[in-house]
Amino acid sequence: EVQLVQSGAEVKKSGESLKISCKGSGYSFINYWIGWVRQMPGKGLEWMGTIHPGDSDTRYSPSFQGQVTISADKSIGTAYLQWSSLKASDTAMYYCVRHKDTAMVLDYWGQGTLVTASS
Amino acid sequence: DIQMTQSPSSLSASVGDRVTITCRASQILSGYLNWYQQKPGKAPNLLIYAASTLHSGVPSRFSGSGSGTDFTLTISSLQPEDFATYYCQQSYTIPGTFGQGTKLEIK
Repeated sequence: EVQLVQSGAEVKKSGESLKISCKGSGYSFINYWIGWVRQMPGKGLEWMGTIHPGDSDTRYSPSFQGQVTISADKSIGTAYLQWSSLKASDTAMYYCVRHKDTAMVLDYWGQGTLVTASS
Repeated sequence: DIQMTQSPSSLSASVGDRVTITCRASQILSGYLNWYQQKPGKAPNLLIYAASTLHSGVPSRFSGSGSGTDFTLTISSLQPEDFATYYCQQSYTIPGTFGQGTKLEIK
């Protein structure tokens, strides 16, 4: 069974750094792109970016390029999303997602990590 | 970025009704259109990909159609568990933009 299990909720202050994680299991982690989707409170879904764990090829949405860093450790089957300096506007639920085959079809989702950044 | 526009933004319907949600893209997608369902407090789930292919385990009352820039999601006979928010998403090019969502509520 494919599973993506994310790290727990975080409460941080603006300006602090943060790294959240997503562990994949039940499939070959290095063979599927894994990405992140943001959902701000009461709002819709935004595709942020994705990484191929096999070769660390990473693609970002222009809206998120330079704002976050996506990485992966294939030895432990885990992907990461990190911020060097959080803003209050980063407060949101973040979902990790597996990309089906080579397209941005998001076939499996993590349970979500709620990030709260207070000013 | 490709802009995705869903209509309606919200919809009231009854159990047993046939419901259609539409999604329009700002450019041709060559069939790279997907639909997701999100229930309150839960992660979204993939329903349909490549415009009309049902994801594994999704009930056959869900169907998708369309091509070019215009696509539809149809639920043939609404069940109580179908009341949720539905999103379309283009997977033609990065970033994989979503529509704003359609909230399906019980009448």
